[in-house]
Amino acid sequence: QQQVKQSPQSLIVQKGGISIINCAYENTAFDYFPWYQQFPGKGPALLIAIRPDVSEKKEGRFTISFNKSAKQFSLHIMDSQPGDSATYFCAASKGSSNTGKLIFGQGTTLQVKP
Amino acid sequence: GAVVSQHPSRVICKSGTSVKIECRSLDFQATTMFWYRQFPKQSLMLMATSNEGSKATYEQGVEKDKFLINHASLTLSTLTVTSAHPEDSSFYICSALSPLGAYEQYFGPGTRLTVT
Repeated sequence: QQQVKQSPQSLIVQKGGISIINCAYENTAFDYFPWYQQFPGKGPALLIAIRPDVSEKKEGRFTISFNKSAKQFSLHIMDSQPGDSATYFCAASKGSSNTGKLIFGQGTTLQVKP
Repeated sequence: GAVVSQHPSRVICKSGTSVKIECRSLDFQATTMFWYRQFPKQSLMLMATSNEGSKATYEQGVEKDKFLINHASLTLSTLTVTSAHPEDSSFYICSALSPLGAYEQYFGPGTRLTVT
């Protein structure tokens, strides 16, 4: 019940296209859903995050869509660029528990072709 | 934005020796820090939660006597890998929980440990 399942494992998109990565969770106590971007040999960087009280959040080219009833959330990268090529992780946590522990998805390797 | 640093970025040590990795929050005070381990092409695995002034909480299966964690101040947590073996070779990443709420976690750049 603590798992976060992420798909696809890898994704190839043409420059200018839309990249879509999906995550599903089971624990309804989760109340914070961030996305992280990681380049090889580097630590993850927080991209964008959402709480379950909104269905969508947009920051620049990055959008999170959240479906509470389906227990799913997704990351959309609009106008994908070669510089977006990285590994993306979704995560979830129970903020109300005050521990801040993140449960990570398995990761998606995105390649944006020029 | 919040900055977390790690030192060293890379370390090579001989089997049987101990290695200390430092994690610092540079522009904020972090009551809670986390230590993760990441194998190539895999996700992050939480090892332990480090709370300032108290004992760390280890995840199931993580040997607390092997991975010593100390969170002596609000800006510094250390991970010491004791009696390192080649199987301990991995990418170790720390993160710090923002005190500003919203549960945000900021990650360090990671430390590549190679045990020969």
